[in-house]
Amino acid sequence: SQQGEEDPQALSIQEGENATMNCSYKTSINNLQWYRQNSGRGLVHLILIRSNEREKHSGRLRVTLDTSKKSSSLLITASRAADTASYFCATALTGGGNKLTFGTGTQLKVEL
Amino acid sequence: NAGVTQTPKFQVLKTGQSMTLQCAQDMNHNSMYWYRQDPGMGLRLIYYSASEGTTDKGEVPNGYNVSRLNKREFSLRLESAAPSQTSVYFCASSDWGLAGGETQYFGPGTRLLVL
Repeated sequence: SQQGEEDPQALSIQEGENATMNCSYKTSINNLQWYRQNSGRGLVHLILIRSNEREKHSGRLRVTLDTSKKSSSLLITASRAADTASYFCATALTGGGNKLTFGTGTQLKVEL
Repeated sequence: NAGVTQTPKFQVLKTGQSMTLQCAQDMNHNSMYWYRQDPGMGLRLIYYSASEGTTDKGEVPNGYNVSRLNKREFSLRLESAAPSQTSVYFCASSDWGLAGGETQYFGPGTRLLVL
């Protein structure tokens, strides 16, 4: 079974709106990362949040981590059509070395 | 600086044929990974190499073999392809960190169709 599960599976918003996607996981982690995948392309790293951090920002991205609830959220503010992509959370499990376990992804569509 | 490159971009095989997917990175990373991506399944780890000279099984290793040829190159071999191996294959690389969970850098993928 998947370590990370994203919610929702798909999200459609208008340009300028905020997009929020969530990730839940099952076991203890060292860090949690978010990646973006444009259609037909490889994954691109967006942001990493460590287990002892609660919130992190990078440009229009805001990530939160709640280790007590084993969940994370990714907020994209003032979305643009170019943000249309699939977003995946990936967890680095405690004792798992440098391996990452990826979730099933959220497909975001930003319409003009 | 090309990052992570993969060849071929697309391949069609018949059941039972063999092939090798090639991956190379120019970022001097110690660790390399092979994933497959199927619709609705996210990415699943097939094999990884924590450092040159070592390889380990991931979540779905059956039907695959790997070779870490040198620090730059990590190949994935399908000895006898099956339709269930139809997928998109991604190679990735990362530094090796004591804390674990280093950022991974991905190649553009290889689309494989097994008939």
